[in-house]
Amino acid sequence: AQKITQTQPGMFVQEKEAVTLDCTYDTSDQSYGLFWYKQPSSGEMIFLIYQGSYDEQNATEGRYSLNFQKARKSANLVISASQLGDSAMYFCAMREGNFGNEKLTFGTGTRLTIIP
Amino acid sequence: GAGVSQSPRYKVAKRGQDVALRCDPISGHVSLFWYQQALGQGPEFLTYFQNEAQLDKSGLPSDRFFAERPEGSVSTLKIQRTQQEDSAVYLCASSLGLAGGPTDTQYFGPGTRLTVL
Repeated sequence: AQKITQTQPGMFVQEKEAVTLDCTYDTSDQSYGLFWYKQPSSGEMIFLIYQGSYDEQNATEGRYSLNFQKARKSANLVISASQLGDSAMYFCAMREGNFGNEKLTFGTGTRLTIIP
Repeated sequence: GAGVSQSPRYKVAKRGQDVALRCDPISGHVSLFWYQQALGQGPEFLTYFQNEAQLDKSGLPSDRFFAERPEGSVSTLKIQRTQQEDSAVYLCASSLGLAGGPTDTQYFGPGTRLTVL
């Protein structure tokens, strides 16, 4: 089974609208972390937001927020007031287990295109 | 401050050649990671260092892949006898490690795009 599932290969959104990028995960660990990264055409992975499995509140970072539903094992990224510069690939990733298991497992990504 | 840097940005190799990819992590970052990203896919973990110690190399696809970080800073990923299936973007990331706590975040470099002909 896939550990990280992103079911939207591509999305087109009008500029200034909000957009939700879906991510579901699969783990038997109680302690884990969820990350979202943005990858523009230049190729660099840019960290956006983090949610810990024990965090009671949804994470927010500027225009980015994470809709964390632990029971459903989903960690959707919400981008408010989208901008043309938001056009990129977006990856959801998970770090499992206690601190010391450092590697990230990534999903296949969603290509977001913002339309002027 | 400077981010993670990688060189070269692009590398074309003939099948059978050896290649070496370099990563300069963020200064002070203890942890260093290598990932492989095939076209249209998410990055896949290759190996992880804490300082100079290679703590996890479970993702290296074959014994043709070798990574080192001899002084706990710069790292080199070496691929021997390259094959066409090695064509991918190789991403390096670094993090604070233990000092970063549970939220320790990996910061990525721009990657090296390897094409094996």
